[in-house]
Amino acid sequence: KAGVTQTPRYLIKTRGQQVTLSCSPISGHRSVSWYQQTPGQGLQFLFEYFSETQRNKGNFPGRFSGRQFSNSRSEMNVSTLELGDSALYLCASSSGGQGKDEQFFGPGTRLTVL
Amino acid sequence: GEDVEQSLFLSVREGDSSVINCTYTDSSSTYLYWYKQEPGAGLQLLTYIFSNMDMKQDQRLTVLLNKKDKHLSLRIADTQTGDSAIYFCAGDFNKFYFGSGTKLNVKP
Repeated sequence: KAGVTQTPRYLIKTRGQQVTLSCSPISGHRSVSWYQQTPGQGLQFLFEYFSETQRNKGNFPGRFSGRQFSNSRSEMNVSTLELGDSALYLCASSSGGQGKDEQFFGPGTRLTVL
Repeated sequence: GEDVEQSLFLSVREGDSSVINCTYTDSSSTYLYWYKQEPGAGLQLLTYIFSNMDMKQDQRLTVLLNKKDKHLSLRIADTQTGDSAIYFCAGDFNKFYFGSGTKLNVKP
């Protein structure tokens, strides 16, 4: 079974630009979660999508948004980029059901904002 | 929100045992997890423990859970240089919360 894939792996943008990151979950998984990882703040939860609906949301400004498609692939968008948005963005997929719901992580997208 | 705390660094010699600790404030998580992150990579699930268990052993890994103290630990026996990584504890407290991660450095 193929793992979680994220594209692109690396991205360099300038302040004020916007960016879209993509995540393809493991086949059959319906939940996709996004995390931001920075040295200073550690791993922070952005949001979770399940069956095309946002199910949970972390404490990030409205510049961070996401969506999920009918095939469970998810995209995350950051508008008006700031220097502090430089981070590793990880997505994780899970079945989204009850009980043990192990999250499988992708390799991440490294975003650098100049 | 949920607080999940870990010490930031641990340094051990190759062959020794490593113990990484984690404390949390909410006891609602059904499962508690340990993830490993190697440089430049995503997170890899190492092991997990059901909240009704006290201990789980998986080859060189031993997870201990003290529900009363809300304390979780991961012991790595015979630590190798390949174990050098950042280790995160996590729980599904309504949504997934991760600790800040413990950077394990294994000296040859």
